[in-house]
Amino acid sequence: AQRVTQPEKLLSVFKGAPVELKCNYSYSGSPELFWYVQYSRQRLQLLLRHISRESIKGFTADLNKGETSFHLKKPFAQEEDSAMYYCALSVWSGNQFYFGTGTSLTVIP
Amino acid sequence: DTGVSQDPRHKITKRGQNVTFRCDPISEHNRLYWYRQTLGQGPEFLTYFQNEAQLEKSRLLSDRFSAERPKGSFSTLEIQRTEQGDSAMYLCASSLVQGADYGYTFGSGTRLTVV
Repeated sequence: AQRVTQPEKLLSVFKGAPVELKCNYSYSGSPELFWYVQYSRQRLQLLLRHISRESIKGFTADLNKGETSFHLKKPFAQEEDSAMYYCALSVWSGNQFYFGTGTSLTVIP
Repeated sequence: DTGVSQDPRHKITKRGQNVTFRCDPISEHNRLYWYRQTLGQGPEFLTYFQNEAQLEKSRLLSDRFSAERPKGSFSTLEIQRTEQGDSAMYLCASSLVQGADYGYTFGSGTRLTVV
């Protein structure tokens, strides 16, 4: 069965420190993975997709099929990065997403 | 605002009452999705439409739930005989079917409280 695990519900880092939000997935097919972010009082929005290999707001994520992971990383955290982050797995070409339970990131000034 | 709109933003209802939510997707998006999010959880898939056709439904969508998308534009999600367990944020999202761009655009959600 498809499953996305985000082991940390809460994560706090100091401004300027590196940050890594962990995501592991379970899926027998070819995965398509995404990170979504929800800032305070805002709607859920797409942050980045593994297929595009892009860096958004300094964040990157590499799909590691061997470890079935898609961790989100940023070398220097900023206060505006404080938000809830969800890892999501797409199956059947985007017909539905499986979301993790989310990690709440707090960047301490 | 050209994003995904959901109405109402909040709904409080008594147990046993029926409620209906509306979602207006981005106009050129032909796919529309409904998700439910409970406290401390990520969004869970309920159903999706491609144009007016409802192509997939989750087992979470009991027979008390019904969704429609007449004419392939806006969509409604109705919950009959609401139960306290239905209290959640109901999220709508839309997307284009094109290439590898499978990211959604989400609405702000409708928060349902069943008392």
